[in-house]
Amino acid sequence: DGGITQSPKYLFRKEGQNVTLSCEQNLNHDAMYWYRQDPGQGLRLIYYSQIVNDFQKGDIAEGYSVSREKKESFPLTVTSAQKNPTAFYLCASSIDRGPAYNEQFFGPGTRLTVL
Amino acid sequence: KQEVTQIPAALSVPEGENLVLNCSFTDSAIYNLQWFRQDPGKGLTSLLLIQSSQREQTSGRLNASLDKSSGRSTLYIAASQPGDSATYLCAVVTSYDKVIFGPGTSLSVIP
Repeated sequence: DGGITQSPKYLFRKEGQNVTLSCEQNLNHDAMYWYRQDPGQGLRLIYYSQIVNDFQKGDIAEGYSVSREKKESFPLTVTSAQKNPTAFYLCASSIDRGPAYNEQFFGPGTRLTVL
Repeated sequence: KQEVTQIPAALSVPEGENLVLNCSFTDSAIYNLQWFRQDPGKGLTSLLLIQSSQREQTSGRLNASLDKSSGRSTLYIAASQPGDSATYLCAVVTSYDKVIFGPGTSLSVIP
């Protein structure tokens, strides 16, 4: 089955720790995205990557980092510099460079809680 | 600055009723608009994608319309079922790679 997987489903972090959220896709999509979702708010873009070894900051990149060493993988690291990291994190992909003409497909999400 | 709103924030209807969800955006210069469904604690499922040159898209009991000039899109759900209960989000693409999501409408269909 083609799709996007995210792991873990739930993640707990102590203050001051860095944690990495996994996102893998086997759809052969070029573009991948990370969004953050808070209750009552729309999704906000953290980072996106249009191609391997390239990525761009989104609207709320501070305190986050990403890498894109492989086409199918786009891990997100939440660093200790992110002051309010408790949220639901969603990874998405689209077939081509950017969502202008392409549907975005989403993973099941990771819920991060800071203890 | 593009802003996307969805009204109402929550909606409860009896099973079988036809219903309309609304999405409004402030900048009519969009590339496309996409409607998603999100079940509690889950990721988003794409329902319909409307390109800026299109007026509507249909899939089964769902019909989405787009009126760029007025900055509005509607998602029409016919003959609602309890399984339609979820949060529905719209998202607009205003420029290359810039996607703005609305806050969503939480729908409950009562058996």
